[in-house]
Formats: sequence, C-alpha cells, structure tokens
Amino acid sequence: DIQMTQSPSSLSASVGDRVTITCRASQSIASYLNWYQQKPGKAPKLLIYAASSLQSGVPSRFSGSGSGTDFTLTISSLQPEDFATYYCQQSYSIPYTFGQGTKLEIK
Amino acid sequence: QVQLQESGPGLVKPSETLSLSCSVSGGPINNYYWSWIRQPPGKGLEWIGYIYSSGSTNYSPSLKSRVTLSVDTSKNQFSLKLRSVTAADTAEYYCARVAVGTYWHFDLWGRGTLVTVSS
Repeated sequence: DIQMTQSPSSLSASVGDRVTITCRASQSIASYLNWYQQKPGKAPKLLIYAASSLQSGVPSRFSGSGSGTDFTLTISSLQPEDFATYYCQQSYSIPYTFGQGTKLEIK
Repeated sequence: QVQLQESGPGLVKPSETLSLSCSVSGGPINNYYWSWIRQPPGKGLEWIGYIYSSGSTNYSPSLKSRVTLSVDTSKNQFSLKLRSVTAADTAEYYCARVAVGTYWHFDLWGRGTLVTVSS
C-alpha cells in the first residue's frame, strides 16, 4: 500500500493568513493526488484533484501543487469557513489511501 | 442535483453482517463508478472498495475477504455487506461517486451513517 503522510497534523492560523499543508507519498504517484476538506459532523468535500485542478465551485483561494511524492495544498487567505480538517488521497494504485489529516484551527 | 443517501442499521452485533445501501437521486447510477469509504470515530478515512454500474468491483485487500459490493440499477442504489464484524468496524460509513478519467477522485459524497458494532 502507498502510505500518505501529511504535515503538520494540526495547525493554528488566523483569518487572512496564507497556509500551506504538505502531503508526502511513500512512492511516486505522479499527479494522482486529491485534497478534501472535512468539517465536524460532515462528509468530506473534494477541493483539488489531479494535484492542481480546482473542483468546480471551490473558491480560488485554494490551490494545489506538486508531483511525484511531494504535494502541497495552499489557502491564500484564510476565511472563517476554512477552519476544518484536510485530507490528501492518492488514486495511483489500489488500495486508495488517505493521509492522516491536518486539523486547521483558529489562532 | 445528484445526491447520495446512506441507509441501514445503526447497530450491528459482533460476528454479524453489516449491510448498508446508498440511494442515488437526481441522476443516473448507470455508467458511473461508486465507492464506500469509512471513518472510525475521531480517526481518518479508509477506502473500502468501488463498484461499476455493470457490477464489476474492486476491493481494498485488507477487507476483501469480508466485503461484497452490489448494485441495483432498477432502484438506483448500490450496497455494502461487511461480514464477521468486530468493534474495529465501528465507523461512519460514506458512499461516494467516483469521477473517472485520467485521475480518479471522489467528487460527490453522501452525508454518512454511523454504524456501531456492539452486543
């Protein structure tokens, strides 16, 4: 199985901050990397697919980059509704695997 | 718009079979891939498997011996059966649509249903 490791596991930030979350794969996954946002008690929501493609309806302050083993999710200017847990997920090979999550909290 | 809704018992006894269904409304089930993903309380996400509308499947190796996915296109729904459950199978279970192409991803999710395994 491909292991996905996110860093940091938790992060405190303020509204308006620029935030970057990192995801590392245990082997190269090209651009087969997706990002999801999950709020408490809710289902995950797709933000970014194919490493850098913004899902329809997702604000442009979210962006993704990377290929191979190292990926980043960047939020350019944090909004109050962005405080949530973020997960990366690889779709390069079965079984599809997720990172452990990064909890973004209000400072 | 397309919506997914999970349904099934919220409590299952150890060693029994967990059975859930996912109803697809507002759009077709045909010609799509559909998946199940679970999340133990306070923990991360685990992919269980996917099924195509034709019935072809692919499962996570860690669960393959206990899982069966099926689809009923006449009812626009697909289902999960997980046999011989233990407390470790207690989780929120989500159904999701798989967007395919070069890069697969889960573009639409149900709200989830909590299943507790306990006697």
